[in-house]
Amino acid sequence: GAGVSQTPSNKVTEKGKYVELRCDPISGHTALYWYRQSLGQGPEFLIYFQGTGAADDSGLPNDRFFAVRPEGSVSTLKIQRTERGDSAVYLCASSAIRGRSDTQYFGPGTRLTVL
Amino acid sequence: AQSVTQLGSHVSVSEGALVLLRCNYSSSVPPYLFWYVQYPNQGLQLLLKYTSAATLVKGINGFEAEFKKSETSFHLTKPSAHMSDAAEYFCAVMTQGGSEKLVFGKGTKLTVNP
Repeated sequence: GAGVSQTPSNKVTEKGKYVELRCDPISGHTALYWYRQSLGQGPEFLIYFQGTGAADDSGLPNDRFFAVRPEGSVSTLKIQRTERGDSAVYLCASSAIRGRSDTQYFGPGTRLTVL
Repeated sequence: AQSVTQLGSHVSVSEGALVLLRCNYSSSVPPYLFWYVQYPNQGLQLLLKYTSAATLVKGINGFEAEFKKSETSFHLTKPSAHMSDAAEYFCAVMTQGGSEKLVFGKGTKLTVNP
């Protein structure tokens, strides 16, 4: 079946603008995760959802970052007043059930560039 | 707090040689451990995972890793490197009983020379 998809694949914006990044998880996966990968670094956790609710948002760097998953499927990561330091690849992952060792399947990422 | 250290940001081997990528973790409770591979312009793909069963874990593409609690290590090995193994490899830890987030190391870029 289809894997995790993310749109857009690339996003270029200007400092101070608002952006939305979309993630479509694997069908039927209840858990959804967002990570951020800066150049030369490993992915860094941002937030994860179990169903519609955010189970852990401890990785969101500040209140400019917000994510939703209103129907328990598609998720949107929203960044307000973007800064150059927000430039990174934003990765989304999903897993089948609530099991801590369940495999997280990653999408190809959205590369965000803030000019 | 849990963390992962990958020794060597770049590793270079000859085709057919042993691959050894090092990972050490820090966790206050027994962790789950994962190795992911990232090919250029592709998403992360799970190679293998340790979930408190057998300490020697076999994964895809001939890779395996051994969990050594006494050394807090989970090194990744492959007996014979292939050109197609060239990629970036990430070790990650998840705390049992805690949040389901993965904590990744900084990655090791593997180059395979002909």
